[in-house]
Amino acid sequence: AQKVTQAQTEISVVEKEDVTLDCVYETRDTTYYLFWYKQPPSGELVFLIRRNSFDEQNEISGRYSWNFQKSTSSFNFTITASQVVDSAVYFCALSEAWASGTYKYIFGTGTRLKVLA
Amino acid sequence: EAQVTQNPRYLITVTGKKLTVTCSQNMNHEYMSWYRQDPGLGLRQIYYSMNVEVTDKGDVPEGYKVSRKEKRNFPLILESPSPNQTSLYFCASSLGGALPGANVLTFGAGSRLTVL
Repeated sequence: AQKVTQAQTEISVVEKEDVTLDCVYETRDTTYYLFWYKQPPSGELVFLIRRNSFDEQNEISGRYSWNFQKSTSSFNFTITASQVVDSAVYFCALSEAWASGTYKYIFGTGTRLKVLA
Repeated sequence: EAQVTQNPRYLITVTGKKLTVTCSQNMNHEYMSWYRQDPGLGLRQIYYSMNVEVTDKGDVPEGYKVSRKEKRNFPLILESPSPNQTSLYFCASSLGGALPGANVLTFGAGSRLTVL
């Protein structure tokens, strides 16, 4: 069965520190997609990144980077030189290719990041 | 502007009083779904729809109904709300296509529901 685990419930860092948010997933499918979404204090859900199971290349976007490792079923998210505006709840999500006929996105329980000035 | 619109954004109601949360998208998306967000539980899928007149249960469908009579609308119906349905609700949509699971979800702003 699909499962996404975000073991870190809450993380607090001081501004300019680097922080890594962990995401571990379970799936039986060989084709799947992983996502990260951000939920700032205002409450909306904002898409950050999508990665498919065949592309293990790490990605960097400004201060954000993602490390996808199939061997450990992990898709971790690192924020470099964190800023107060990074304070939010971050969700990791998994979707299989849906060849199995199940049309679900499975979300982790989220990690609340607090960046202190 | 491409968006998913939910209404109402905030609602306080009483046990047993039927209510409907509307959801509408203007992106011609085939896939639509409802989630509830509860502390410590993350986002859990209630119902989803692959296209008009095609709906199916997610992980927590009990106490909810949906319909998809038009492509753009996907209302969530609580026939007899109970306090355990107090939650933050999100509607989302995405493209269909050959690999619908590959698509990014676009979320509405959320509807905070309190059932007394």
